[in-house]
Amino acid sequence: DGGITQSPKYLFRKEGQNVTLSCEQNLNHDAMYWYRQDPGQGLRLIYYSQIVNDFQKGDIAEGYSVSREKKESFPLTVTSAQKNPTAFYLCASSFEGSYNEQFFGPGTRLTVL
Amino acid sequence: GQQVMQIPQYQHVQEGEDFTTYCNSSTTLSNIQWYKQRPGGHPVFLIQLVKSGEVKKQKRLTFQFGEAKKNSSLHITATQTTDVGTYFCAGHTGKLIFGQGTTLQVKP
Repeated sequence: DGGITQSPKYLFRKEGQNVTLSCEQNLNHDAMYWYRQDPGQGLRLIYYSQIVNDFQKGDIAEGYSVSREKKESFPLTVTSAQKNPTAFYLCASSFEGSYNEQFFGPGTRLTVL
Repeated sequence: GQQVMQIPQYQHVQEGEDFTTYCNSSTTLSNIQWYKQRPGGHPVFLIQLVKSGEVKKQKRLTFQFGEAKKNSSLHITATQTTDVGTYFCAGHTGKLIFGQGTTLQVKP
């Protein structure tokens, strides 16, 4: 069953702690993306990767870090430097280049207490 | 910076009424994509428009891309409760930029 998985669905952390969100895809897509969704603000791009071992900052990369060691995996770390980390985080993937449609995972809702 | 503006932010309609959401870009777009996100769900790709003036239909949904490739619209004819959700446009200008979305509520 092909698709994108994100885990966990809900995540709670204390302020000041780093947390890593998982994203795995078995669609053989080259490109992967992380978005943050806040009410009324649509989707904002955090980081994206078009190939293994390479990634670029999106519009709101401050306080976040990523790695792309495998084609299938693109984990996102929300660091303690992120001022307002509570949000809904969506991972997506596509065939090479964002010209192609993006397939989204189910998302992780992060709440920092 | 490059922006994609989408209006309205919210729309409440009676079941059976029509609905339209509009998307405007500050720059010319290479293409535009539309996504739908059901409440509690994740965005799902609906369609991509590439050509100037292009019109595509999917059952009761009609998508248009403006002649100048700076605006787009999604029109739903005779809404149903299954149409409830947030509709996003996403314009491509070297990277994909999402609009803020229009949340549609349908009263039965």
